[in-house]
Amino acid sequence: EAGVAQSPRYKIIEKRQSVAFWCNPISGHATLYWYQQILGQGPKLLIQFQNNGVVDDSQLPKDRFSAERLKGVDSTLKIQPAKLEDSAVYLCASSLDLGEIPEQYFGPGTRLTVT
Amino acid sequence: KQEVTQIPAALSVPEGENLVLNCSFTDSAIYNLQWFRQDPGKGLTSLLLIQSSQREQTSGRLNASLDKSSGRSTLYIAASQPGDSATYLCAVKTSYDKVIFGPGTSLSVIP
Repeated sequence: EAGVAQSPRYKIIEKRQSVAFWCNPISGHATLYWYQQILGQGPKLLIQFQNNGVVDDSQLPKDRFSAERLKGVDSTLKIQPAKLEDSAVYLCASSLDLGEIPEQYFGPGTRLTVT
Repeated sequence: KQEVTQIPAALSVPEGENLVLNCSFTDSAIYNLQWFRQDPGKGLTSLLLIQSSQREQTSGRLNASLDKSSGRSTLYIAASQPGDSATYLCAVKTSYDKVIFGPGTSLSVIP
C-alpha cells in the first residue's frame, strides 16, 4: 500500500513570496489533515477535510493560508504572502474516516524556509 | 481547552535500559490517544493507538498505557536499542474531533 505522498520535500522562499504544497493521501482515505510543525514543537492542525468538505480550519491563518481538496482526493496548501514565522515543516496526513479510531498516516513533510 | 504536555523534553539512556515516556492531557474527555515516532527530517510513524475504553496497548517492545481519569499516558520501551533514537510524540483526539499533539520527547539511546 502506497503511503501519503507530499511534494516538494524542501522549499526556500523570500518573505512576501507565495508557495504551494501538494499532498496525495492513501487511496480510499476520506479524511485529510494539514499540520504545521515548528522546530521543537509538536504538529499543530491547520485544516481537516472530510472528502472535499472542511471539518475544521479554526487554526488556519485565513488571511494568508488557503487549502483545497478538489474531488476529495489530492489537496494543496498555499501561503500567500509568506512571513518569516511560516518557516516550518508542513505535514499531510490521512485517515480512513472520522470515526473513533481514525489512525492517521503521515507523509514525509515539506520543509519550508522563509528568508 | 485541551493541552498536551510531555515529560521529559529530552532523554539520553544507555543501550539495553528500560525507559518510560510520559504524556499528560488536561481534559479527560478524549476519544483516543496515539503515540508516534518521528525521525529527523521525516514524517510521523504511528506506534500505538489506545481507544478511550482501553487501558493499554502492546506492540513488540512497546507498551502504552492510558489513565483517562488522571489525564496520563505512558509509553514504556523495553530493552532500548540505538535504533529507538527519535522524537516520540503523543496526540489526543478530543470530543470535538480535534487532534492535539504534545511537544515530544527526544530520545537518544547510547550504544
